[in-house]
Amino acid sequence: DAGVIQSPRHEVTEMGQEVTLRCKPISGHDYLFWYRQTMMRGLELLIYFNNNVPIDDSGMPEDRFSAKMPNASFSTLKIQPSEPRDSAVYFCASSRAGPGEKLFFGSGTQLSVL
Amino acid sequence: QKEVEQNSGPLSVPEGAIASLNCTYSDRGSQSFFWYRQYSGKSPELIMFIYSNGDKEDGRFTAQLNKASQYVSLLIRDSQPSDSATYLCAVRTGGSYIPTFGRGTSLIVHP
Repeated sequence: DAGVIQSPRHEVTEMGQEVTLRCKPISGHDYLFWYRQTMMRGLELLIYFNNNVPIDDSGMPEDRFSAKMPNASFSTLKIQPSEPRDSAVYFCASSRAGPGEKLFFGSGTQLSVL
Repeated sequence: QKEVEQNSGPLSVPEGAIASLNCTYSDRGSQSFFWYRQYSGKSPELIMFIYSNGDKEDGRFTAQLNKASQYVSLLIRDSQPSDSATYLCAVRTGGSYIPTFGRGTSLIVHP
């Protein structure tokens, strides 16, 4: 298996632009997570899906953020409009169901909003 | 609110020494505990997990869990410069599949 695949690896955009991050989870994994990592706040959970259904989006900072999972093999995280404070590394992770199951992380997207 | 606390470090140890990383958590219902290693510019990867009180050993790594005191630790024996990374503690509460991460401890192993 190729693991969790994220794209793009790097994104540089200007304030106000729309940004779309993409993720392909590992086949057979029931859960998909979107995290944001910054030096100040560490690894924060933004939203997670179970069987393609959004379960908890309480970590989404503002209405500017939205996430979708139209099928078991694809998810997007969209920021519209983007702001400089959104600059961070965004990770997608997937796992099987079960309290002991580990998360498999993608390589992350380094987002810079100028 | 579920909290997972780690000392941000950096923790600096000489090569060959034992590195001890600690993590405390607030939710007594927590059931599974994970240690992830994250190299600079890379994504986190799992190195250890533990469910039961006591020690769990895997090569040079030992995870220790004390549920009564609500802490979990990671010992790295014979530390190598390649162990230099940030170590993230993650905790899953029973019934929830959502891991809560600490902010991580930076470990530096110097030759």
